[in-house]
Amino acid sequence: AQTVTQSQPEMSVQEAETVTLSCTYDTSESDYYLFWYKQPPSRQMILVIRQEAYKQQNATENRFSVNFQKAAKSFSLKISDSQLGDAAMYFCASTGGGGADGLTFGKGTHLIIQP
Amino acid sequence: KAGVTQTPRYLIKTRGQQVTLSCSPISGHRSVSWYQQTPGQGLQFLFEYFSETQRNKGNFPGRFSGRQFSNSRSEMNVSTLELGDSALYLCASRKDIANEKLFFGSGTQLSVL
Repeated sequence: AQTVTQSQPEMSVQEAETVTLSCTYDTSESDYYLFWYKQPPSRQMILVIRQEAYKQQNATENRFSVNFQKAAKSFSLKISDSQLGDAAMYFCASTGGGGADGLTFGKGTHLIIQP
Repeated sequence: KAGVTQTPRYLIKTRGQQVTLSCSPISGHRSVSWYQQTPGQGLQFLFEYFSETQRNKGNFPGRFSGRQFSNSRSEMNVSTLELGDSALYLCASRKDIANEKLFFGSGTQLSVL
């Protein structure tokens, strides 16, 4: 069974600063994907960034980037130049090859942006 | 392009009743998945439908069931509701099972009294 662990229930960062959210996972799959989703108060889960496990290069999407350490099974999210609109719950998730068993989510990290 | 649409947004039921939730995927998406979100258990996978067939199911009792129609719209049914079924139910769609990118709706908040 896959597990995803987010050890930071809550993080706070000043606007315009950089923050890193941690995530570790455990899977027996050789082919899998890792995701970071954002859930604002509207409740809709929004995909922030995606990483394919077989790719060595860390994924980036504008101000969002990941640090993927496959051997350590670590997948952290770095948000640069934090903005007020980044305030939300952030969930780390993984899936096996083909997504046969759906996504496995971590418990989430509540990100607070201080103006 | 319209996103994933879930109806209703809020629902209040009493124990023992049954409930049906609806999800319309993004146009052209053939796969629909359902997730349950609670403060205690977090987000848990319920099941996925693709081309009207259930592809896989999470660890939930048989009271939780679903179906998918020929237009890819999906319904989820929970029978004999229990207090513990109170949750946010999220639906997600993707183009096909080879595509890992899921698009979520805003969910249906179910309260069981």
